[in-house]
Parts: sequence; structure tokens; C-alpha cells
Amino acid sequence: RKEVEQDPGPFNVPEGATVAFNCTYSNSASQSFFWYRQDCRKEPKLLMSVYSSGNEDGRFTAQLNRASQYISLLIRDSKLSDSATYLCAVNIGGNKLVFGAGTILRVKS
Amino acid sequence: NAGVTQTPKFQVLKTGQSMTLQCAQDMNHNSMYWYRQDPGMGLRLIYYSASEGTTDKGEVPNGYNVSRLNKREFSLRLESAAPSQTSVYFCASSESGQPYEQYFGPGTRLTVT
Repeated sequence: RKEVEQDPGPFNVPEGATVAFNCTYSNSASQSFFWYRQDCRKEPKLLMSVYSSGNEDGRFTAQLNRASQYISLLIRDSKLSDSATYLCAVNIGGNKLVFGAGTILRVKS
Repeated sequence: NAGVTQTPKFQVLKTGQSMTLQCAQDMNHNSMYWYRQDPGMGLRLIYYSASEGTTDKGEVPNGYNVSRLNKREFSLRLESAAPSQTSVYFCASSESGQPYEQYFGPGTRLTVT
């Protein structure tokens, strides 16, 4: 089993839709979790850190479910500019992160 | 404040050639990392440096060496490039403590023929 797994998608959604991605992780001792956004041929950029109480930033909400070992990212009122690949990352000890392979989101008008 | 910078942006090598990828950060971070990204495989850690003067292997270190030149700079060297090292290479940096948020450079696209 991979340490961090994501549905590769693509998720094709219309503008204005709500879309959610999940990311499962295998190390129950992981303490820190992140969502990154990566545009085509660009570097990953930190979108949100995921706290145990959940985290919201505008249209984006991140949740952590420790019992089932997954994190989620919810995007409300999708914009064309949200089209990107979303990577989850999990701290596996020390200061190392393991990244999922990413979920592709395409928002269409 | 440039964040994390990498040079070169693009490089084409022939099998067996060597090269060094350069990375620098101006965020005063203690920890630095080198990743490679291949289609469908996500980011894989090659080497990292938790602090100045230390380096450790990541998931895929074979064929690579690193140098933490000072707190700002962390270089990746390919001694004898192979086609399997064709990839996009990203450097990242972070604080050394929680929550370990990493910030990435723009990447180097390397092709080995």
C-alpha cells in the first residue's frame, strides 16, 4: 500500500460547483498534513495546512479524519482558475513529507 | 524576497555526462530538500538536509549526490547521467520544526538522451 494515495481524476466540474477530494495515508503517527496546488509545468504551491480541527480559507475547506486516516479538500463555488492538480502531503517523521501523486481538477464554463 | 530559486531552468545532457543543479533560498530556513517528479509518480524525495552541515538520503538517492554549501544553498549533482534521470527536479525549503510546511523552487527540467 502506498503511504499516501489520491484519486488521480480528472474531476471535471462546471463553474460554481462544489467538489471534494480525499487523500488517504497509511502512517497513523503522522502529525502534519497539507494540500498543495500545482499548475501545469509549475512548482507546487502550498494551499492549506490541515489542522485537527479543520481549516477554512475562503472557498476552501480542509478536514482531517484520523480514525479513517484521510484528509479532504472541499472547494465551493469552483472557478475556472481553480483548474490545477491538487497534491496532498503528509509528514512521516522528522521534517520529511510524502506526497500523493495528485488529483486533477478541470473546471469548465 | 525571491523565496527558493533554482538554476538552470532547462538542461539536456547526454548519457554519462555530469552536471550540478543549484538551489538557494532567502527565507532563512534550516531544512532543504531535493525532489524529482515524474508523470503518475508524484514527488519523490532524493536527498534532504535537515540543517546546515547535515544531509540524508531520501526515497530515491541512487545516482545523485548533494552538498549543503551553507544555510542558503543546497546543490544536487548527477555524476553520470542516465536516461532514467530524465525528470523535473524541485528544490524546497522549510523551517526545521512543526508544522514542516515546504516551499518550492520553480524546478529544473532535465532530459538525458
